[in-house]
Amino acid sequence: ETGVTQTPRHLVMGMTNKKSLKCEQHLGHNAMYWYKQSAKKPLELMFVYSLEERVENNSVPSRFSPECPNSSHLFLHLHTLQPEDSALYLCASSQRDVTRGYTFGSGTRLTVV
Amino acid sequence: KQEVTQIPAALSVPEGENLVLNCSFTDSAIYNLQWFRQDPGKGLTSLLLIQSSQREQTSGRLNASLDKSSGRSTLYIAASQPGDSATYLCAVNDYKLSFGAGTTVTVRA
Repeated sequence: ETGVTQTPRHLVMGMTNKKSLKCEQHLGHNAMYWYKQSAKKPLELMFVYSLEERVENNSVPSRFSPECPNSSHLFLHLHTLQPEDSALYLCASSQRDVTRGYTFGSGTRLTVV
Repeated sequence: KQEVTQIPAALSVPEGENLVLNCSFTDSAIYNLQWFRQDPGKGLTSLLLIQSSQREQTSGRLNASLDKSSGRSTLYIAASQPGDSATYLCAVNDYKLSFGAGTTVTVRA
C-alpha cells in the first residue's frame, strides 16, 4: 500500500443509486485531492481540500459531492450518475508545501449501468 | 492553462534496451515535476520528483532530467526489463498538478 488507501476498489452502481467512495491517508499530509481518469484522457482534477477546507472545484457536476471531515479522510458522494461517469477515481494527498510530491491511492474503478 | 504533452504515446522495445520518454509543458513557471508509473487498472506510483531548481534526479535505473526554460523533461530507464511494462505519466506542479496523457511502454522478453 502507498499510504493512501481507497475503498472500495471496484463499484458497480445503477443510475438511481447513491454510493460513496472513501479515501484515507496516514502520511500526515494536509491536502487531499480527487482526480478522475477516463479512458484515453489525462487525469482530471476534480476537487482540492486544504486543511479540510475545499479550495477548488473544477466545474464538477453536482451529482459528485465531496466531503473532508478531517485531514486524514476524504469522501466522494455519488448520486444519479450517468454512464459517462464510469472511470477510475483516484485520491491523492500532499503537503501544501509546493516542493513536496503527491502520493496517490490505488483508485476505485466505477462502472455506472 | 498548463498543457502537458508526452511523446511517444506508446513504445515497444526488446528487453535490455534503454528507454527514453519525453514530456513537454507550456508554462515554465513550475515548482516541480513528478514522474509516475501506472499499471493497468491501478493507481499511480511515484518514481521521481524533480524540483524546478534541479537539473536531474536519479533512482536506480531511472534518471529524470529537467530543462525548465525550454519546458522539457526526459525520463531515462536503463536496461529495460519486462517488469518495466506500464504507463508512465509526467505531472507538472505549478500549484496544481497537471498531467500528460502518458506513454505506454511494453518491454518484450
